Amino acid sequence: QSALTQPPSASGSPGQPVTISCTGTSSDIGLFNHVSWYQQHPGKAPKLMIYEVDKRPSGVPDRFSGSKSGNTASLTVSGLQAEDEADYYCCSYAGSSNAYVFGSGTKVTVL
Amino acid sequence: QVQLVQSGAEVKKPGASVKISCKTSGYTFSNHFMHWVRQAPGQGLEWMGQANPNGITTKYAQNLQGRVTMTRDTSTSTLYMELSSLRSGDTAMYYCVREGEQLSGPSRNFDYWGQGTLVTVSS
Repeated sequence: QSALTQPPSASGSPGQPVTISCTGTSSDIGLFNHVSWYQQHPGKAPKLMIYEVDKRPSGVPDRFSGSKSGNTASLTVSGLQAEDEADYYCCSYAGSSNAYVFGSGTKVTVL
Repeated sequence: QVQLVQSGAEVKKPGASVKISCKTSGYTFSNHFMHWVRQAPGQGLEWMGQANPNGITTKYAQNLQGRVTMTRDTSTSTLYMELSSLRSGDTAMYYCVREGEQLSGPSRNFDYWGQGTLVTVSS
């Protein structure tokens, strides 16, 4: 199972929006609504930010939102804050053999 | 509160095996699928496999089949992962991960993560 494709980096000024794409195939993102996003600060474990494409766990700020169209999912941070600077990974359930596939990761920089 | 506390760092020689533990608390252990995810230095996340709530059924990533074994001890709410025939490419941080609560079916997201266990494979 190949990794989902994400841009290596994204950036924006404080208060500006940033959107990260995550491209898969018709066997993972295109087939299932089990797309999730994880935030990882340096030296820390990942944290769940979005699940089932567009749902936010309790405690995650509402400036984080998710969407999906066809084989591509997206994470948008509507108003960047300094603490949003981190690596972000998408993940999709891929069905066969109960496999999960992660994205390659995107480093978000707050300018 | 939910906690997943993993065992400490390991240094192993190529060809050896490693077994990592993950002690859980703060929730009903038998109600959740558990997974292992690893991250090589400076690299992305890789799903390794899952252990079902029944403590019997497991599913492993195809590239690790035959080398990885995941078990769970419901009496102590502890998850274990053993990886054999270690090679340098297995050097990574290994995370124990809880899958979210099942409602109408498996949630298929990872809502709590352990702190990670660094495994270094070096001769």
